[in-house]
Amino acid sequence: GENVEQHPSTLSVQEGDSAVIKCTYSDSASNYFPWYKQELGKGPQLIIDIRSNVGEKKDQRIAVTLNKTAKHFSLHITETQPEDSAVYFCAGGDYKLSFGAGTTVTVRA
Amino acid sequence: GAGVSQSPSNKVTEKGKDVELRCDPISGHTALYWYRQSLGQGLEFLIYFQGNSAPDKSGLPSDRFSAERTGGSVSTLTIQRTQQEDSAVYLCASSLGNGQGTDTQYFGPGTRLTVL
Repeated sequence: GENVEQHPSTLSVQEGDSAVIKCTYSDSASNYFPWYKQELGKGPQLIIDIRSNVGEKKDQRIAVTLNKTAKHFSLHITETQPEDSAVYFCAGGDYKLSFGAGTTVTVRA
Repeated sequence: GAGVSQSPSNKVTEKGKDVELRCDPISGHTALYWYRQSLGQGLEFLIYFQGNSAPDKSGLPSDRFSAERTGGSVSTLTIQRTQQEDSAVYLCASSLGNGQGTDTQYFGPGTRLTVL
């Protein structure tokens, strides 16, 4: 089955700086890679996703890149704000998603 | 519109008791998923429904776990003879079910289960 690894496990950034989270996956058949943001006591909320026929996708301050040859994908958050503080999960697969272990992002004011 | 809802939000039970967790998906979503999230961990896939059928039950950890879906809508996850290792947050998600397996999954708030 699919195995997704995520790094780093914690990330502290100064407000206004960029944050980058990286994930690798094992199954070359995986074709869908969503990113979720989870705040304390809440369910995961989709922030952006990318499918295997696309190499990069942007939505305002958030961007995701996918390298299918190397089997890795990354989340980039620019101009970070305190409300970006949360746990971020990457995932890969198709209907059956395998999740990374999560990255706790703290934005320092 | 209304998102995925789950009930109860919290459940405390004693070891050996049975529990039922409920999920109401987004209206019109034909696909439904259950995941489990242990403390400080990522999400672990349990089961996938397309309509009332469950073509993939591969993530259910033991035969104490079962799930059903009726009317293509509400789903119930049942854990029999609960054990302390069953303590976790159980998350439900739903998606349109486009038949291609890559449609967006929307998550509910989860049910936090504590087995004493």
